[in-house]
Amino acid sequence: LAKTTQPISMDSYEGQEVNITCSHNNIATNDYITWYQQFPSQGPRFIIQGYKTKVTNEVASLFIPADRKSSTLSLPRVSLSDTAVYYCLVGEEDSNDYKLSFGAGTTVTVRA
Amino acid sequence: DAGVTQSPTHLIKTRGQQVTLRCSPKSGHDTVSWYQQALGQGPQFIFQYYEEEERQRGNFPDRFSGHQFPNYSSELNVNALLLGDSALYLCASSFPEGQLYEQYFGPGTRLTVT
Repeated sequence: LAKTTQPISMDSYEGQEVNITCSHNNIATNDYITWYQQFPSQGPRFIIQGYKTKVTNEVASLFIPADRKSSTLSLPRVSLSDTAVYYCLVGEEDSNDYKLSFGAGTTVTVRA
Repeated sequence: DAGVTQSPTHLIKTRGQQVTLRCSPKSGHDTVSWYQQALGQGPQFIFQYYEEEERQRGNFPDRFSGHQFPNYSSELNVNALLLGDSALYLCASSFPEGQLYEQYFGPGTRLTVT
């Protein structure tokens, strides 16, 4: 999996939109971008995955520019329960590398 | 539908002992991966089992071994425990039709080595 860089922490308030940008300058043509969320004392949870442009689901949106060297996870109108660690992962579609490689992630703290 | 389950929830062992952790994958999933998560760090891949065989292994010593049973459940064994093995051990399952790199994690087993 390609190396990624993301902020260590971010603070926000309830009702605001939170945008976490992940840098992956060495992303390969076949690489997909995946985001996980982890609450304290729980296992990570798959949030969203994308290859290019924009992907949206009931939880978040993922914006990927044309050069794909970065991506932004957008959490709309966060609540206190969105306080968690968010991980950005980049991996190749046709790879035989089945493991998930997690960095330190971004700790998002939502305040009232 | 039960998700990924792990047992036990917590475990305290002494240095040099051996431990076995258990995992039942989500219904319909045939692949099980194990991860170790130290405090304040992201999960680190230990190994993955598919069709009862170890398919891929991370950078962990041979003291870490595993097994997958015909019903897809799995065990993680750690021998000669070290203080540094204290961590949250996570099991994750996946299935062929799932999205790439989409794994479902259990709540983990908290292992403390004293």
